[in-house]
Amino acid sequence: EPEVTQTPSHQVTQMGQEVILRCVPISNHLYFYWYRQILGQKVEFLVSFYNNEISEKSEIFDDQFSVERPDGSNFTLKIRSTKLEDSAMYFCASRERTGGETQYFGPGTRLLVL
Amino acid sequence: AQSVSQHNHHVILSEAASLELGCNYSYGGTVNLFWYVQYPGQHLQLLLKYFSGDPLVKGIKGFEAEFIKSKFSFNLRKPSVQWSDTAEYFCAVLSGGYNKLIFGAGTRLAVHP
Repeated sequence: EPEVTQTPSHQVTQMGQEVILRCVPISNHLYFYWYRQILGQKVEFLVSFYNNEISEKSEIFDDQFSVERPDGSNFTLKIRSTKLEDSAMYFCASRERTGGETQYFGPGTRLLVL
Repeated sequence: AQSVSQHNHHVILSEAASLELGCNYSYGGTVNLFWYVQYPGQHLQLLLKYFSGDPLVKGIKGFEAEFIKSKFSFNLRKPSVQWSDTAEYFCAVLSGGYNKLIFGAGTRLAVHP
């Protein structure tokens, strides 16, 4: 069964550094999402991406964040200058276009900012 | 804005006990509702979903949920839990034109043999 994959599984970085989290969505899916879960808190929506552009973003998704689908298979989330409060589990998800409201999630990347 | 509330943050049960996890949502119009499960060390997996039709929805692994519009609820149930059901359970509602998910805080279930 096709799955969403994410790399790395864990990332430790220093405050102020840039990080790129990578996701490979399911191949025939057209909508892509990033969510995050700070330890002990809810899973929160960050951004949705369709047709090579951001379709919706949350208040969390400020200028420090960007997303890209550079090559038709990868979907990346970049944090330009990480802050301590960016420490969280980041989940990628994807879904089909027609009749496909179900989102399929990747295993997540645990980001720790020191 | 839509929101989802899960009443129980931690639930501890013995095997064969019945399970009911509460979920309430805030939106009064047409809703699409989901329960996701996250087993230890694994990714979020879909347990079941409700879009329309029969308000009693059956999912995988013997789980079911009932959509009660008048109560804004979508509670998850299982008649007899197993140790392998130990996981975190998330209720979610679909929101907006591009279908982002709004999640509840999650319920951590521990089942003891």
